[in-house]
Amino acid sequence: TQLLEQSPQFLSIQEGENLTVYCNSSSVFSSLQWYRQEPGEGPVLLVTVVTGGEVKKLKRLTFQFGDARKDSSLHITAAQPGDTGLYLCAGARAGGQNFVFGPGTRLSVLP
Amino acid sequence: DAGITQSPRHKVTETGTPVTLRCHQTENHRYMYWYRQDPGHGLRLIHYSYGVKDTDKGEVSDGYSVSRSKTEDFLLTLESATSSQTSVYFCAISFTGAGETQYFGPGTRLLVL
Repeated sequence: TQLLEQSPQFLSIQEGENLTVYCNSSSVFSSLQWYRQEPGEGPVLLVTVVTGGEVKKLKRLTFQFGDARKDSSLHITAAQPGDTGLYLCAGARAGGQNFVFGPGTRLSVLP
Repeated sequence: DAGITQSPRHKVTETGTPVTLRCHQTENHRYMYWYRQDPGHGLRLIHYSYGVKDTDKGEVSDGYSVSRSKTEDFLLTLESATSSQTSVYFCAISFTGAGETQYFGPGTRLLVL
């Protein structure tokens, strides 16, 4: 059983469309991170959210941390082929020294 | 980019042989992690280190051991490789641990025949 679930598992869309991917858990996290991973490379951090209800924007990407700090969403506006990749969420529990990763959402943006 | 290298980048080995993967950092970060990545599972923590000679187990530590004799090097050893350990292995570093940015290495692709 995954501590963190991500949905959808796969997503294929056309350039210019909007999309939202989700990261859900029954556990509370002190912070949650989103990473993007491209083929043959390690994940790269996009954002860290730490406060329930927090919204952060990174150009066309909007990240939200749920009020109860159990879930998060990533919304991409006007997706571009360069957004293609595996999006991973990772949660840190209070007092813990490490992260738990979700299985990822594989996004493909077609030109 | 954070200075993290992994070696080897690719390895093919046979069941029952020992294998050691190396992670080297030039950032002087305290925390180092070993993950494995498999389809449908995301990244799963094998072992991590919070200082020289200070290590702890992650969620999938069986069959793996680690050592950290210097700040910059974190070694992962598969004591007797099995086919279930075929995976992509990633090393990561972090300055202060959970809640902080993890910087990942390029990965090692291991195939156990």
